[in-house]
Amino acid sequence: DQQVKQNSPSLSVQEGRISILNCDYTNSMFDYFLWYKKYPAEGPTFLISISSIKDKNEDGRFTVFLNKSAKHLSLHIVPSQPGDSAVYFCAARGGGSGNTGKLIFGQGTTLQVKP
Amino acid sequence: KAGVTQTPRYLIKTRGQQVTLSCSPISGHRSVSWYQQTPGQGLQFLFEYFSETQRNKGNFPGRFSGRQFSNSRSEMNVSTLELGDSALYLCASSGSGTGGNYGYTFGSGTRLTVV
Repeated sequence: DQQVKQNSPSLSVQEGRISILNCDYTNSMFDYFLWYKKYPAEGPTFLISISSIKDKNEDGRFTVFLNKSAKHLSLHIVPSQPGDSAVYFCAARGGGSGNTGKLIFGQGTTLQVKP
Repeated sequence: KAGVTQTPRYLIKTRGQQVTLSCSPISGHRSVSWYQQTPGQGLQFLFEYFSETQRNKGNFPGRFSGRQFSNSRSEMNVSTLELGDSALYLCASSGSGTGGNYGYTFGSGTRLTVV
């Protein structure tokens, strides 16, 4: 049962354009959603998060949108830079005191930003 | 401020052996979570420790165990290694008891190869 899904394994965009990475989830009890960037043989690096009570959070070039009715979130990167090329993971944190340390990850989307 | 430190970085073990991996969280962080990353299954939650107590556990067999010491350093142990245990093992630390709305900080991981 895959509770967090990233249906696009890869995405290619031109430098300077917008990158949109998508994520769907099934569990309405998730209380936070997070995006991580990962390079091979390294640990994930936190990018941005959003609480389930918000619908948008922005940090510099990164904006995350949450549509709770559709159980869908997206990460927008504007403008995209070649250094953004990496694997991006969407993660959800289970709500309730028993699940605070548990993140459920999507399968990842490989972003390639072409110069 | 030092990040999350995992040792060793690489490890090769034989089937049937056991292995212990170590994780030193960011100073002051009391929560440590462990994840397994494989090409087929992605990033999967193993367990989380907070103040020396296991607070959450994923769906892994009992061969996978962990503990946390009073200084918040954590170890995970895998007994009777199988070929399928070959993976990148990641730990993440968090400063708040509930994780807050910021991301968990990951270490660079331990690459375990079982032959």
